[in-house]
Amino acid sequence: EAGVAQSPRYKIIEKRQSVAFWCNPISGHATLYWYQQILGQGPKLLIQFQNNGVVDDSQLPKDRFSAERLKGVDSTLKIQPAKLEDSAVYLCASREAGTDTQYFGPGTRLTVL
Amino acid sequence: ILNVEQSPQSLHVQEGDSTNFTCSFPSSNFYALHWYRWETAKSPEALFVMTLNGDEKKKGRISATLNTKEGYSYLYIKGSQPEDSATYLCAFYNSGAGSYQLTFGKGTKLSVIP
Repeated sequence: EAGVAQSPRYKIIEKRQSVAFWCNPISGHATLYWYQQILGQGPKLLIQFQNNGVVDDSQLPKDRFSAERLKGVDSTLKIQPAKLEDSAVYLCASREAGTDTQYFGPGTRLTVL
Repeated sequence: ILNVEQSPQSLHVQEGDSTNFTCSFPSSNFYALHWYRWETAKSPEALFVMTLNGDEKKKGRISATLNTKEGYSYLYIKGSQPEDSATYLCAFYNSGAGSYQLTFGKGTKLSVIP
């Protein structure tokens, strides 16, 4: 079974530029999560989708971050404009309905200069 | 705000040593405690999901215990090997949270010296 795919793996941008990350969850997993992991911290939930609907985006900085999961499968997370403090690893995870385990992708490491 | 604490932050051990780390979490509204292993440049890998007080789970040389009344879990590695070098994350889910969301600790970074 294929795991969660993310791209790109690494991205370096200047502050005030825009960036987008892509996630393809495990086939059939209805729930998709985006996390931000800043160096020295644990992963922090940004947004949770159930199929193509948002369950919780209370910790998403909506002035600059946006996310969508239009067809209930792939998802994109965008930052516009980026700030220095957005430098982090962005992890995507998916979970099958009725189960507890979240399966993670390898993450995208973003560096904002 | 839920607080999940892990200790130590980092650990260096010699190959063959056994080691253990701690995860502390709120004891009220407990539902589940997850352990993940995260190797550099790879995906975090699920190790255990623990739900019952007194639970003990094992996967090869790695085992974990759970005490929900006092709010802690221990992860043990017996006879550490260089391939065990990784960051070990615990994550807590509380039943009052509604949708299934995990609160993560900062992790324990283990380095096994050959």
